Amino acid sequence: QTVLTQPPSVSAAPGQKVTISCSGSSSNIGNNYVSWYQQLPGTAPKLLIYDNNKRPSGIPDRFSGSKSGTSATLGITGLQTGDEADYYCGTWDSSLSAGVFGGGTKLTVL
Amino acid sequence: EVQLVQSGAEVKKPGESLKISCKGSGYSFITYWIAWVRQMPGKGLEWMGIIYPGDSDTRYSPSFQGQVTISADKSITTAYLQWSSLKASDTAMYYCARSYCSSAYCYYFDYWGQGTLVTVSS
Repeated sequence: QTVLTQPPSVSAAPGQKVTISCSGSSSNIGNNYVSWYQQLPGTAPKLLIYDNNKRPSGIPDRFSGSKSGTSATLGITGLQTGDEADYYCGTWDSSLSAGVFGGGTKLTVL
Repeated sequence: EVQLVQSGAEVKKPGESLKISCKGSGYSFITYWIAWVRQMPGKGLEWMGIIYPGDSDTRYSPSFQGQVTISADKSITTAYLQWSSLKASDTAMYYCARSYCSSAYCYYFDYWGQGTLVTVSS
């Protein structure tokens, strides 16, 4: 079982907005930074968001991140068919002294 | 350009040993940490462990402690993940990724290798 909980799937129409949640506890999200990764089919994961809400160079501002308490959220606006991918949240777990990921959320752009 | 280039796919039998590699280039290899992440077929990402090539300081997830060994050779800017006795359940894609750790905390992964597929089957 994964330490961070994500919905298995979300879907929305092109041009619309979607949010993906990531729920944890005080030992992980509650006291550490959250990052988000996009994994397109058949490829390696790619960093989308780091330190809760920062975007690396080259990531469009359609992608955003936020954190409140022991939960974090990834938002994607102006959905495109190319956004269809699996999305993972990640953080450090101070109790485990190890990194942890969510189970992943499959985004379908209808 | 930062690059992490992993070794090629492997097909092994249960009980065999294996060492896969991840070569870093385009940055100071001893300044950043290298982590290994497992992705079993059709499943999510799992954080296995991480190494600081500068002094070989290594941290393992409790789930992987004793199951694998992570090492690095800074002279050839390469990190390794190895098994002494593979099991069928080790069949997975393995990614290396660059990170940074403080004394108590590791941060995000900003660059990833392309992945190494390991298949263990009799």
